[in-house]
Amino acid sequence: QVQLQESGPGLVKPSETLSLTCTVSGEYIDTSTYYWGWIRQPPGKGLEWIGCFFYNGDAYYNPSLKSRVTISVDTSKNQFYLRVNSVTAADTAVYYCARCYVAVAGTLIDSWGQGTPVTVSS
Amino acid sequence: QSVLTQPPSVSAAPGQKVTISCSGSSSNIGNNYMSWYQQVPGTAPKLVIYDNNKRPSGIPDRFSGSKSGTSATLGITGLQTGDEADYYCGTWDISLSAVVFGGGTKLTVL
Repeated sequence: QVQLQESGPGLVKPSETLSLTCTVSGEYIDTSTYYWGWIRQPPGKGLEWIGCFFYNGDAYYNPSLKSRVTISVDTSKNQFYLRVNSVTAADTAVYYCARCYVAVAGTLIDSWGQGTPVTVSS
Repeated sequence: QSVLTQPPSVSAAPGQKVTISCSGSSSNIGNNYMSWYQQVPGTAPKLVIYDNNKRPSGIPDRFSGSKSGTSATLGITGLQTGDEADYYCGTWDISLSAVVFGGGTKLTVL
């Protein structure tokens, strides 16, 4: 059973870079079956998909965030990462790391981390 | 404004059945598999339905999913107080090249 755990600072200043780490256990990140991704949820609001990333570099990003977002992986540590540049208050949210199943007929999120809250404020 | 449209809330008594609708278009629901997620307040979402009507291991058969054209439905029978949660539909959108979610439906078990 795969488990995902987010970590990172809970407070980021406006215009700076948000950086989060997801540590995966129970599954190797360099699996040929799954992508790895991030979803966020602003306070009191719904889910927003950020992107899904394959260990070989293939990636899908939310077009509305693509210019500011990078997802990367470190297979030696079985971790993957999220970076969001030039953050504003609108980036305040609970951030979930997740396992993505990407197929011809669609993409689904089949496992989620517990989430980590990030506040953007000076 | 979410790409997929869900009712904000539904309610029913314990033991009863409830359905939650999700409406989209040919660029998302109409041509891709649907998923449904349950989010109990204060916790992470959990996948309850995938590929329109399949249940992951551990999800009771009280949960069901269906799809017709550009709409999908989540059904829950034999409602329990533990089913109180927000439910989100989700799928891939071909035009946006993105995973899209509905705005969520709050289920209250009266």
